[in-house]
Amino acid sequence: DVKVTQSSRYLVKRTGEKVFLECVQDMDHENMFWYRQDPGLGLRLIYFSYDVKMKEKGDIPEGYSVSREKKERFSLILESASTNQTSMYLCASGRTVVGNQPQHFGDGTRLSIL
Amino acid sequence: EDKVVQSPLSLVVHEGDTVTLNCSYEVTNFRSLLWYKQEKKAPTFLFMLTSSGIEKKSGRLSSILDKKELFSILNITATQTGDSAVYLCVPDNYGQNFVFGPGTRLSVLP
Repeated sequence: DVKVTQSSRYLVKRTGEKVFLECVQDMDHENMFWYRQDPGLGLRLIYFSYDVKMKEKGDIPEGYSVSREKKERFSLILESASTNQTSMYLCASGRTVVGNQPQHFGDGTRLSIL
Repeated sequence: EDKVVQSPLSLVVHEGDTVTLNCSYEVTNFRSLLWYKQEKKAPTFLFMLTSSGIEKKSGRLSSILDKKELFSILNITATQTGDSAVYLCVPDNYGQNFVFGPGTRLSVLP
């Protein structure tokens, strides 16, 4: 069965902290994605990666960076957390960026920045 | 600018009712349209539509795409309380950027 695992379901951090959100997939997918989901705004793409060490900006990359050192792991980094980054973060993986295969999502991390 | 509009944003029905959820989109380099169901956790995949006019069915759910008019509908017949969820529409444009619709929140009352 397809499995995308996010390291934390709930996380509370303080303004200015450096925050790491981890995501691991066990399906050998080339592509991995980070989204945030906010009420009324739907899911918005932050970054995606189509290969190890490769990354592409999504719609809202400001304030975030990513790391993909291994195929199965894609990390989202908040360099200096701010309250407007309080959100639900969803990681996904997929077979191809071209879209023949749907993305599979993790359970999400609800991040609160105080 | 790419955009996706879903309607209604919220819908409350009783078990046994039939519902139609709408999705209209404007994206460059459109390839396919995906529907997801999101309950309390992560979205789960329902359908991928690539051709106009061909209905896809899965049990009580069905969906169809109109690439000329740039919209898709998702139908659910004989709704059950387990159908309560947010339904997300996602046009795929060769992965340039993934634009999710705001979702339709469906509540099915017993």
